[in-house]
Amino acid sequence: AQSVTQLGSHVSVSEGALVLLRCNYSSSVPPYLFWYVQYPNQGLQLLLKYTSAATLVKGINGFEAEFKKSETSFHLTKPSAHMSDAAEYFCAVSSNSGYSTLTFGKGTMLLVSP
Amino acid sequence: DAGITQSPRYKITETGRQVTLMCHQTWSHSYMFWYRQDLGHGLRLIYYSAAADITDKGEVPDGYVVSRSKTENFPLTLESATRSQTSVYFCASSEDGNTIYFGEGSWLTVV
Repeated sequence: AQSVTQLGSHVSVSEGALVLLRCNYSSSVPPYLFWYVQYPNQGLQLLLKYTSAATLVKGINGFEAEFKKSETSFHLTKPSAHMSDAAEYFCAVSSNSGYSTLTFGKGTMLLVSP
Repeated sequence: DAGITQSPRYKITETGRQVTLMCHQTWSHSYMFWYRQDLGHGLRLIYYSAAADITDKGEVPDGYVVSRSKTENFPLTLESATRSQTSVYFCASSEDGNTIYFGEGSWLTVV
């Protein structure tokens, strides 16, 4: 069984500030981990993924995430927020031992103020 | 590169009617999925398919039917629509079964 918890349904930052979106997972086997972004009235777009290679994963639009097994976390960060980063972000987990379906967190809405 | 195309993008239907949401992908991915997205519930898997003619239930399959006669198509049918099926429906596909790519969504309102 696997699950994902995203801490904070809404996160507000100022433009230029650090973005930190938190994700903790539970998985009985080594996980694959993903972050997706959803802009209004659009589908989900893959930001980055961890598949048991490097623990620090770089994605699109300047985002990165670090896999920390000891903390069962996969937090998403960006050094400097831009207005265009305002969107909803979803963390997801699947198993790396054979096929398994993705389990999504409930999402975190990122609000960016000028 | 068309990717995943969903149709219709917006649909209003009446309770009890049958509705089919279409999904077409151009990547020849083996896996395809249908999710629904609702406030407070996030994304929930309805059905998925590992290959043509192979489908399996997800978390919330009741009231839905799928078929996969061709690799590129994965239609979702609501046999008798109910108001609780008002939602945004996302089709998705994957080559390896783990990294999933989503369509733009179909907004369905059942009145």
